[in-house]
Amino acid sequence: SQQGEEDPQALSIQEGENATMNCSYKTSINNLQWYRQNSGRGLVHLILIRSNEREKHSGRLRVTLDTSKKSSSLLITASRAADTASYFCATLTRSSNTGKLIFGQGTTLQVKP
Amino acid sequence: ETGVTQTPRHLVMGMTNKKSLKCEQHLGHNAMYWYKQSAKKPLELMFVYNFKEQTENNSVPSRFSPECPNSSHLFLHLHTLQPEDSALYLCASSQDHHSGTGTSGGNQPQHFGDGTRLSIL
Repeated sequence: SQQGEEDPQALSIQEGENATMNCSYKTSINNLQWYRQNSGRGLVHLILIRSNEREKHSGRLRVTLDTSKKSSSLLITASRAADTASYFCATLTRSSNTGKLIFGQGTTLQVKP
Repeated sequence: ETGVTQTPRHLVMGMTNKKSLKCEQHLGHNAMYWYKQSAKKPLELMFVYNFKEQTENNSVPSRFSPECPNSSHLFLHLHTLQPEDSALYLCASSQDHHSGTGTSGGNQPQHFGDGTRLSIL
């Protein structure tokens, strides 16, 4: 079964609006990471949040983690056309000691100018 | 520029060919990874190397053979591939911590290359 699942699968908003993406997972984690992927490119790391943290910020990005619900959310405020990309959550399970991240299927975000 | 360079960017090969994908990282990291990204599927981890030693083989078929000659270079040797192997192959690296009981991998961000788009005819 898949560890990380993003919701929604696709999201379309106007420039300036906020975008919220959610990620759910099944097993206990060490940390959860969010990545962005532009079309035809590799993944770019956005934020890493550890299991003992509840919220982290980076610029216009805000990530929350609720370990009791096994879920995380990524909020992008004041979105721009350049934020158009796919966004993935990835989890490092507590049992892993080899850096094995498990990725979700991603949310495709389209920001219309 | 992510500091992780993959070549070639595109590769078309027949099922009987032998080819290699190359990854080089200029970040001084000690862990390197191969991932497969297929349409409509989550990113799949294939192999992990920590300090040049393979620490993870995620049940990958033997037609994929990784090689890590040093901590900056990673190869994926391909032979007798199948059409379902067509995908984007991504390489990543990270700086992980090595403990006496094994690595503490995954606690640092991974830096990805732009991938090799592989098509099997």
